[in-house]
Amino acid sequence: AQSVSQHNHHVILSEAASLELGCNYSYGGTVNLFWYVQYPGQHLQLLLKYFSGDPLVKGIKGFEAEFIKSKFSFNLRKPSVQWSDTAEYFCAVNDHSWGKLQFGAGTQVVVTP
Amino acid sequence: DTGVSQNPRHKITKRGQNVTFRCDPISEHNRLYWYRQTLGQGPEFLTYFQNEAQLEKSRLLSDRFSAERPKGSFSTLEIQRTEQGDSAMYLCASSLASGGPTNEKLFFGSGTQLSVL
Repeated sequence: AQSVSQHNHHVILSEAASLELGCNYSYGGTVNLFWYVQYPGQHLQLLLKYFSGDPLVKGIKGFEAEFIKSKFSFNLRKPSVQWSDTAEYFCAVNDHSWGKLQFGAGTQVVVTP
Repeated sequence: DTGVSQNPRHKITKRGQNVTFRCDPISEHNRLYWYRQTLGQGPEFLTYFQNEAQLEKSRLLSDRFSAERPKGSFSTLEIQRTEQGDSAMYLCASSLASGGPTNEKLFFGSGTQLSVL
């Protein structure tokens, strides 16, 4: 069965600090990988996705993620965070054949001014 | 607003009562998903529809839960004889599945927060 593991449940950092959120998945076949973000009071929004090709994926708002197949990882990064990046971040995976997503437990990120 | 719409936003009910939630997907999206999210967890898949056909149901979806999408547009999720353990955020998502599965992206609604007292 698929599973998604996010390493940190809570992260607190200052503005301008760099952010890296870990995500590992367990699945034997071909997968698509996603990072979703949920800002306070808002719905889940897609940050970025990996389907195939270049393993370094760039998303919205300066975020990027790197797919490392050998490590079953898809870590999210941002070189310099802003207060507005305070949100909950979810890593998700789906089978290459259709859209049902398996989510990690999420990481709550708080950026202090 | 042309996103996924869910109603109501909040529902408080007493244990044993029935509740129904509605989801209006993005127009022309042919797939519709229901997820459940509890505190401290990511969303968990419940069921999904391709047009009006319900194609998969999770084991999480007990026989007290039923979902419909009668005309392939909006969907309803009903919970009968609610239990305290049903308290959660119920999320709906829609997608346009075309050009192969790798192009599918899910768009989520803001959810219905259910509290069972």
